[in-house]
Amino acid sequence: DAGVIQSPRHEVTEMGQEVTLRCKPISGHNSLFWYRQTMMRGLELLIYFNNNVPIDDSGMPEDRFSAKMPNASFSTLKIQPSEPRDSAVYFCASKQGGNEQFFGPGTRLTVL
Amino acid sequence: AQSVTQPDIHITVSEGASLELRCNYSYGATPYLFWYVQSPGQGLQLLLKYFSGDTLVQGIKGFEAEFKRSQSSFNLRKPSVHWSDAAEYFCAVGSHNYGQNFVFGPGTRLSVLP
Repeated sequence: DAGVIQSPRHEVTEMGQEVTLRCKPISGHNSLFWYRQTMMRGLELLIYFNNNVPIDDSGMPEDRFSAKMPNASFSTLKIQPSEPRDSAVYFCASKQGGNEQFFGPGTRLTVL
Repeated sequence: AQSVTQPDIHITVSEGASLELRCNYSYGATPYLFWYVQSPGQGLQLLLKYFSGDTLVQGIKGFEAEFKRSQSSFNLRKPSVHWSDAAEYFCAVGSHNYGQNFVFGPGTRLSVLP
């Protein structure tokens, strides 16, 4: 199994640009999570899906952030417009039922 | 609501010394408990997990953790630390309920002196 796949691994963009982060969960997993990690705030849950349905998006910082999961094998996290304070490492994780979460390698986002 | 505390933000130990990282949780029922490790620039990797049964669980890389219900704790231990163990360690609590979220602790950063 390839594990959770995230792309791109690194993204550098300018303030105001749209950023799209992508995630492919492990096949057969039915929950998917998006996290943001910064030195100041640690690991923060942004949103999670069960069976492609968003369950809790209370961690999404503001309307500039949106996430979709059009099918069981793909999810996106979009930031529009991006701001320098969005610079962070964004992790995607997936799990099956009550089992542990498996994390992807992360996307390091830098907004100039 | 579930919550996890890791009282130690940063711990420094000498190579070869024993290690214990503390984790306390708050949860209304029997929790699922996890320890993850994150090396610099890497994602999170599962070290071990507790679902039920024996309260002392063994994990990878020589780590173990003990679930103590009376203390709401799930401390991580290793008898002899290696320099490669320097990393960030996260405790997490989950739920038996399908689809329920994890809650991660704030993490403990481990430094290892040669």
